[in-house]
Amino acid sequence: GDSVTQMEGPVTLSEEAFLTINCTYTATGYPSLFWYVQYPGEGLQLLLKATKADDKGSNKGFEATYRKETTSFHLEKGSVQVSDSAVYFCALGGTTDSWGKLQFGAGTQVVVTP
Amino acid sequence: NAGVMQNPRHLVRRRGQEARLRCSPVKGHSHVYWYRQLPEEGLKFMVYLQKENIIDESGMPKERFSAEFPKEGPSILRIQQVVRGDSAAYFCASSPGLANYGYTFGSGTRLTVV
Repeated sequence: GDSVTQMEGPVTLSEEAFLTINCTYTATGYPSLFWYVQYPGEGLQLLLKATKADDKGSNKGFEATYRKETTSFHLEKGSVQVSDSAVYFCALGGTTDSWGKLQFGAGTQVVVTP
Repeated sequence: NAGVMQNPRHLVRRRGQEARLRCSPVKGHSHVYWYRQLPEEGLKFMVYLQKENIIDESGMPKERFSAEFPKEGPSILRIQQVVRGDSAAYFCASSPGLANYGYTFGSGTRLTVV
């Protein structure tokens, strides 16, 4: 079945550092890929998405490229801020296996210190 | 606010009571999903509904849990005879079509069983 694996946290960074969160997937067919962000006490917000190979999703300085050859969708940001502290979830959907649901990774907590 | 509305935000129930969680999707969205998030864990799919139909309930516990999405009104997740292990955050999401479009999440209901 479909699955998503993302790097364990917490990831602790200083402000203005470069952030990478690795995400790899296993899927039947051609999934769409997503990154969601969850701030403390809140629901998940869609951060960015990509629907086909080589697509790059971007939003708020974050980027991720859909790499079919390595089945990856790593999240990057060049210069993080304290306000980027949150839990980040990689997810996939739209395959024959997943049908209507999104399959989420376990989440990676990011802590940015001043 | 045209987002997904969940209520209540916080719900406290004694063991053995019933919990009813409500979710109003984004206007025009006909697909509703419920997920559970246990402390320090990722999101686990519970059920996927369209109006008056349960499409996929593969993530629902076999007993005590039920969900509906009537023609009129919000989607309801119902937990009968709650136990301490039901304490979690329950998130509802909606989408206009299949999951490859991405979801819009509500802010969740935090259920505490005492």
